Amino acid sequence: AQSVTQPDIHITVSEGASLELRCNYSYGATPYLFWYVQSPGQGLQLLLKYFSGDTLVQGIKGFEAEFKRSQSSFNLRKPSVHWSDAAEYFCAVGPILTGGGNKLTFGTGTQLKVEL
Amino acid sequence: GAVVSQHPSWVICKSGTSVKIECRSLDFQATTMFWYRQFPKQSLMLMATSNEGSKATYEQGVEKDKFLINHASLTLSTLTVTSAHPEDSSFYICSGEGTLLREGTDTQYFGPGTRLTVL
Repeated sequence: AQSVTQPDIHITVSEGASLELRCNYSYGATPYLFWYVQSPGQGLQLLLKYFSGDTLVQGIKGFEAEFKRSQSSFNLRKPSVHWSDAAEYFCAVGPILTGGGNKLTFGTGTQLKVEL
Repeated sequence: GAVVSQHPSWVICKSGTSVKIECRSLDFQATTMFWYRQFPKQSLMLMATSNEGSKATYEQGVEKDKFLINHASLTLSTLTVTSAHPEDSSFYICSGEGTLLREGTDTQYFGPGTRLTVL
């Protein structure tokens, strides 16, 4: 069974500081990995995704994530955090299937607080 | 691109009534749509998977007679909470799965969610 662990429930960083959100997954085959962000009372916005190719993936809003197969990790990073980045971040894993119906398993989320 | 809308964004209803939530993919065709439920400060729980023109597949523990899902077209899926009770109060989020030309892989795009409060 697939699973996702986000070890940090809450993280607080100062505006302008760097950020790394951790994500570890358990999956029996090549995973399809995602990071989503959720602002309060909103749906999820896709930040980036990885399924093959370059293990360092660039996303929107200046985020990037690195896939490390040996560590079963897909950590999200941003070199300089902005106050507007305060939100809930979810890592997700799913199968790479053609034809659709790819169920995702989500981590429990990391709440990011940005101090001005 | 890849916009999913939900309507209504919030709804308050009396116990025993039914509520319908619409999920639309606005600029892509979603052969598969997913319905999730999210409790406060928790992750998303998948309720069901629906494919256009066929019956939905429900996750274990989700009552299919209570949460009716219809996927009438490639751009519209509806979730009806029947005979709603206070314990059904939650944040319901849908997603449409699509393959955008520039991306080449299936990706879930999420709606903004619907806050349901049952009195």
